[in-house]
Amino acid sequence: AQKITQTQPGMFVQEKEAVTLDCTYDTSDQSYGLFWYKQPSSGEMIFLIYQGSYDEQNATEGRYSLNFQKARKSANLVISASQLGDSAMYFCAMRESAGGTSYGKLTFGQGTILTVHP
Amino acid sequence: NAGVTQTPKFQVLKTGQSMTLQCAQDMNHEYMSWYRQDPGMGLRLIHYSVGAGITDQGEVPNGYNVSRSTTEDFPLRLLSAAPSQTSVYFCASRERGGLNTQYFGPGTRLTVL
Repeated sequence: AQKITQTQPGMFVQEKEAVTLDCTYDTSDQSYGLFWYKQPSSGEMIFLIYQGSYDEQNATEGRYSLNFQKARKSANLVISASQLGDSAMYFCAMRESAGGTSYGKLTFGQGTILTVHP
Repeated sequence: NAGVTQTPKFQVLKTGQSMTLQCAQDMNHEYMSWYRQDPGMGLRLIHYSVGAGITDQGEVPNGYNVSRSTTEDFPLRLLSAAPSQTSVYFCASRERGGLNTQYFGPGTRLTVL
């Protein structure tokens, strides 16, 4: 069974500094995808970044990068130059590869609340 | 292109009442799903569909029904609401197969008294 662990219930960072949000996963699948979502206080789920298990390079999307260490089964999110608007809940999620009628369930971690201080 | 839409945004029910949460997407995605979000537990999959006419159970299906008569719509029915179903419900959609990104609707906050 797949499992996602986010060990940091809350994180604090000063504006303009970088912050790393931890995520470890457990799966027996060889092909899987790792996702990070942001959930601001307004409640919507916003997709941030994706990393495939066969991708050799770490994914980057603007100020977001994913530090993927396959052997350690970790997929940490790095936010550079934090902004006040980055204050939100962040979820790490994993999905096994889907094919045919196999859906590929998305399994979520419990989330990390990030607070950016001015 | 509205993406994934959900109605209503908020709902209060009494125990035993039934209701349907609506979900629609205009991206022609084959895969759709319903999740619930409870404090401290992340999101959990309730039901999903891999195409019109095809649905299956997720992690926490009890007390919920779904149907998928069209590609666009995927309603979630609460048969007899219970306080344990107080939660935030998210509908999501994505393209078929592979590891494609999943897009979420804005959510429905449901309270069962």
